[in-house]
Amino acid sequence: SQTIHQWPATLVQPVGSPLSLECTVEGTSNPNLYWYRQAAGRGLQLLFYSVGIGQISSEVPQNLSASRPQDRQFILSSKKLLLSDSGFYLCAWSKTGGINPNYGYTFGSGTRLTVV
Amino acid sequence: GQNIDQPTEMTATEGAIVQINCTYQTSGFNGLFWYQQHAGEAPTFLSYNVLDGLEEKGRFSSFLSRSKGYSYLLLKELQMKDSASYLCAIIGDSWGKLQFGAGTQVVVTP
Repeated sequence: SQTIHQWPATLVQPVGSPLSLECTVEGTSNPNLYWYRQAAGRGLQLLFYSVGIGQISSEVPQNLSASRPQDRQFILSSKKLLLSDSGFYLCAWSKTGGINPNYGYTFGSGTRLTVV
Repeated sequence: GQNIDQPTEMTATEGAIVQINCTYQTSGFNGLFWYQQHAGEAPTFLSYNVLDGLEEKGRFSSFLSRSKGYSYLLLKELQMKDSASYLCAIIGDSWGKLQFGAGTQVVVTP
């Protein structure tokens, strides 16, 4: 069965510090991978998605970046965090070629980031 | 682009029925999902509609009208554990990317 791991669960970082969040998927190959952010009381905003190694599409201009160094690994980074980067970050995967109508995306457990 | 609208909050009594509406505008359409999200947790899949009509899964049902750009999620026999945010999401003109609405917070009272 497929599983998705995301860490850390909680993170408190000072303004201007770097960020690295990691997400890995097991039990499938060549998944589509996604990074979403959810601000307090808001919906999910798509940040980045990837259909293959080294292929990253950015949805929203910001000081974040994403990389996919391996087929099932997706990393979200920042060189210098801003206060506005605080939020709940979710990694998700779907099968290649489209979303499975039986379960849609499968989400990781999320990372609560607080920038202070 | 896409625009997805749903009410911010709804309150209902335990045992009652609540209907959460979602309207959308999109240049293409490849399906609509409903997710449930408890506070501090990841969203979990509830339903998927791509054709017009009603899909029923136990206490949860979802309806779609593509011509009206409209869907609703119906929650029956409400339980306290149903207190959560319910997210409407669509696949528009780009297969594989889900765009989410802001979510509807449902509060179930005793």
